[in-house]
Amino acid sequence: GDSVTQMEGPVTLSEEAFLTINCTYTATGYPSLFWYVQYPGEGLQLLLKATKADDKGSNKGFEATYRKETTSFHLEKGSVQVSDSAVYFCALTEGNQGGKLIFGQGTELSVKP
Amino acid sequence: EAGVAQSPRYKIIEKRQSVAFWCNPISGHATLYWYQQILGQGPKLLIQFQNNGVVDDSQLPKDRFSAERLKGVDSTLKIQPAKLEDSAVYLCASSLGSSVRTDTQYFGPGTRLTVL
Repeated sequence: GDSVTQMEGPVTLSEEAFLTINCTYTATGYPSLFWYVQYPGEGLQLLLKATKADDKGSNKGFEATYRKETTSFHLEKGSVQVSDSAVYFCALTEGNQGGKLIFGQGTELSVKP
Repeated sequence: EAGVAQSPRYKIIEKRQSVAFWCNPISGHATLYWYQQILGQGPKLLIQFQNNGVVDDSQLPKDRFSAERLKGVDSTLKIQPAKLEDSAVYLCASSLGSSVRTDTQYFGPGTRLTVL
């Protein structure tokens, strides 16, 4: 079945460092791809999404490009802040599966001042 | 715009007891989802409703879990009897329902269940 694989955490960075969180997927159809973020003590929030190949999703300085040829949707940010500390989840929906989100296991990011 | 509401936020019960969770989706959202998130893992779908009909309940342990969405708005998820392995965060999400492939799902704050 469809699946999402993320790089394992925790990831610890210094403030202003460059961030990459790798995400690859397996899908039988043509999925939409999402990054959700879960800040400490809060619920899941959509960070960005892309619905077709070569689309770039972006929000709050984060961006990810839907790469169909490499089945990847890596999350990047040029300069992280302490406030970016959270757990990041890559996910996909595939129309033939009724729209349910299939999540990766999550990557915890800790940014130190 | 009000978000997805869930209650209670926390619940502690003994094994073999029953528990119920409530969700109120964003107004106008036709699709409602219940996910289970075990510590250290990504959420997994339990059941999906489109209006008041079930779209997908293939991962719902039907011998102990049940869910309903009366009048296509609020939803209740019940566990009876609870097992230790049911300890998790139960997340409710809703979406417009216009395109299952591209719609954004909006999540509530979740209910953290601890089964002792």
